[in-house]
Amino acid sequence: NAGVTQTPKFRVLKTGQSMTLLCAQDMNHEYMYWYRQDPGMGLRLIHYSVGEGTTAKGEVPDGYNVSRLKKQNFLLGLESAAPSQTSVYFCASSFVLGTSIYEQYFGPGTRLTVT
Amino acid sequence: QQQVKQSPQSLIVQKGGISIINCAYENTAFDYFPWYQQFPGKGPALLIAIRPDVSEKKEGRFTISFNKSAKQFSLHIMDSQPGDSATYFCAASTASGGSYIPTFGRGTSLIVHP
Repeated sequence: NAGVTQTPKFRVLKTGQSMTLLCAQDMNHEYMYWYRQDPGMGLRLIHYSVGEGTTAKGEVPDGYNVSRLKKQNFLLGLESAAPSQTSVYFCASSFVLGTSIYEQYFGPGTRLTVT
Repeated sequence: QQQVKQSPQSLIVQKGGISIINCAYENTAFDYFPWYQQFPGKGPALLIAIRPDVSEKKEGRFTISFNKSAKQFSLHIMDSQPGDSATYFCAASTASGGSYIPTFGRGTSLIVHP
């Protein structure tokens, strides 16, 4: 099993450009998440999905869009990149059993720089 | 509103010492409390987790202590090693009430000097 994979690993964008980050998981998890990590701010949730075809906003959704067309994939889009979106982006997945959430599995991250 | 408060932000320990990281939460519905370990350039990975029906869980040199009445839990790393140098995140979550969002602390950067 590859677990959670992210594409690309690194990217440099100019202000105003657009891009899509791809997350894929092979664990058949229902739940997927996109986080950004900035120094001193921990992991902040951007968007999440509780199943194929459903998405919801997290703590810092502005400037980002997501789609979950297939259960194994969760895409994060930046329509018009801004320097404030320079960050490391992590995708994660997890499963729920009954009323309990189990551990999240994280991808290796995408380091994005917007100039 | 920060639902999980983690301290300290950074910690320096000598090899062989004990590292202690604390977290406090507010939502009494939380029922799963994991700790994640993150090495530079890598994604976080589960280190150890506890549910509120026990007060302590130990895995090797790593122990979680859980105090339900105080709404606090902590990670203890015994005999700390330079290889333990990493960022540690506590988290809390519940699926009750339709909420599936784990809440993370802001992280603790641990440096273990040889």
